[in-house]
Amino acid sequence: DAKTTQPNSMESNEEEPVHLPCNHSTISGTDYIHWYRQLPSQGPEYVIHGLTSNVNNRMASLAIAEDRKSSTLILHRATLRDAAVYYCILFRTNDYKLSFGAGTTVTVRA
Amino acid sequence: GAGVSQSPSNKVTEKGKDVELRCDPISGHTALYWYRQRLGQGLEFLIYFQGNSAPDKSGLPSDRFSAERTGESVSTLTIQRTQQEDSAVYLCASSVPGIGEQFFGPGTRLTVL
Repeated sequence: DAKTTQPNSMESNEEEPVHLPCNHSTISGTDYIHWYRQLPSQGPEYVIHGLTSNVNNRMASLAIAEDRKSSTLILHRATLRDAAVYYCILFRTNDYKLSFGAGTTVTVRA
Repeated sequence: GAGVSQSPSNKVTEKGKDVELRCDPISGHTALYWYRQRLGQGLEFLIYFQGNSAPDKSGLPSDRFSAERTGESVSTLTIQRTQQEDSAVYLCASSVPGIGEQFFGPGTRLTVL
């Protein structure tokens, strides 16, 4: 399975941006980069995904390195509701499975 | 519209008993996934249904685990002769085919005593 590496935890202050890095050096050409987050006691929630180009949506931005071996999820202005575990996942189009690692636990300080 | 629903929300059972967990996907979603999440850990893939194709069962941890899906609707995950290590939250997700987002249900918390 293609693996991703994320820091265990990150802290941020409310209203400040959060940059969550992810390394995926073994990514293949057809793997999509997906990000999900899981709030306490809830199922995971889709955040964003991309293939090669940077992506923006109402929740976040995804910056993908030119060689695709790393990416960064950007939360532009953290709120207390953004406190969650964020998972960076390689979505393989040959089997359509999501492989969740341990993720990054984001803490937001008021 | 309704999201993915799962029942029961909590299940406590005794070791050795069988349990059935239910998932109702979003209408029109032909892809359905089951995952398991042990306390403090990430999600483990269990099984994947896509339309009428044979399911991908490669994540099922033992032959005590099985799952069925009726057409493109309800799915049931069955665990026979439950063991304490089966205690976890079991999550179901559905999606349209392709590379888009999976929609997760709230999960069923299974506790095996």
